[in-house]
Amino acid sequence: SYVLTQPPSVSVAPGKTARITCGGSGFGGESVHWYQQKPGQAPVQVISSITDRPSGIPQRFSASIFGNMAALTISSVESGDEADYYCHVWGSLFSQSFFGGGTKLTVL
Amino acid sequence: QVQLVESGGGVVQPGRSLRLSCAASGFTLNLFAMHWVRQAPGKGLEWVAFTSPHGRNNNSADSVRGRITISRDSSKNTLYLQLNSLRSEDTAVYYCARSVEGGSLDYWGQGTPVTVSS
Repeated sequence: SYVLTQPPSVSVAPGKTARITCGGSGFGGESVHWYQQKPGQAPVQVISSITDRPSGIPQRFSASIFGNMAALTISSVESGDEADYYCHVWGSLFSQSFFGGGTKLTVL
Repeated sequence: QVQLVESGGGVVQPGRSLRLSCAASGFTLNLFAMHWVRQAPGKGLEWVAFTSPHGRNNNSADSVRGRITISRDSSKNTLYLQLNSLRSEDTAVYYCARSVEGGSLDYWGQGTPVTVSS
């Protein structure tokens, strides 16, 4: 199984770049996906490692993986980006999904 | 357009059962893997269960294994989650989500709240 570790919170000033990390046990070649959730709303996919950004998600959102660390990068942060962000891995070997604990992005 | 609408949540006593529904529109449910994900009040997302296309393969989280059944009705294009022997720790908003390439969840319903309380 996978344990995905995210920082509880990240703060960034408007117009700056936010980087939200997701530490995993190697990911095993699995795909890492990212979701945004605003208060009182359902999660919304912002990045799929397979298909990248769904339609409607700005190019300011990007993702990367290096070794045991995945990261979601949001450039030119806007107040509307303030939300909780979750990383997600589908463990195909186990037919199980794993979510990170979530990161609250605060725009100062 | 793709839409998922959950229903069936409510307040239920510990030990009782509940069946949640997820009505799909804009796509053929049987052709896609589907997941149930829940979120306890003030907490993060927790994966609950998975069903492969046509329901050939199912799996669930350790926290609910043996207490849930996931099923589909292709005639109604609807996914179900039967929750049995409910506990207070099952209190959460339950979301259904469609799975596509690499297991990413591209569409989510709005969620249905379940409260387990005496």
